Amino acid sequence: AQSVAQPEDQVNVAEGNPLTVKCTYSVSGNPYLFWYVQYPNRGLQFLLKYITGDNLVKGSYGFEAEFNKSQTSFHLKKPSALVSDSALYFCAVRDRGSGNTPLVFGKGTRLSVIA
Amino acid sequence: GAVVSQHPSRVICKSGTSVKIECRSLDFQATTMFWYRQFPKQSLMLMATSNEGSKATYEQGVEKDKFLINHASLTLSTLTVTSAHPEDSSFYICSARVQGKGSDTEAFFGQGTRLTVV
Repeated sequence: AQSVAQPEDQVNVAEGNPLTVKCTYSVSGNPYLFWYVQYPNRGLQFLLKYITGDNLVKGSYGFEAEFNKSQTSFHLKKPSALVSDSALYFCAVRDRGSGNTPLVFGKGTRLSVIA
Repeated sequence: GAVVSQHPSRVICKSGTSVKIECRSLDFQATTMFWYRQFPKQSLMLMATSNEGSKATYEQGVEKDKFLINHASLTLSTLTVTSAHPEDSSFYICSARVQGKGSDTEAFFGQGTRLTVV
């Protein structure tokens, strides 16, 4: 069975500082990995994904994530945080099956960027 | 990217009544849509997989007679919460992927529906 762990409920960072939101996964085989962001009372917005190839994936709004197979991690990073980055971030995994396979989400990490 | 529109964004209903939530893919076709429920400060819980022209597949513990799903066309899926109770109050989100795309493609999400049952 697939599972995703986001060990931190909350991450606080000062504006301009680098940020990291952690994610580890457990799947059988090689998964597809995704990061989504959710603003209050809104649906999820896609940030980036890892399919294959380079372990460092670049996505929207200056975010990037590093796939580490040995540590089964896919941490989300940004070199310089903005107050507007404050939101709820979800890591998700999908098995390399059919297109009908749903995403499995982590519990989410709330990022708070302080001016 | 592709757009998924969910309506209404917010609804308040009385206990015992039914509420219908619509999920539309605006610029693409989706044979499969997913319905999630999100409790406060928690992750998204998959409720069911909606398949165009066939019955939905419900996750364990989700009452199919209470949460009716209809996927009548390639661009529309509806979730009807029947005989709503206060404990059904939650944030419901739908998602869809472009038809024919593989599992490496991202899903697109509706903006969510905040249901409050009073």
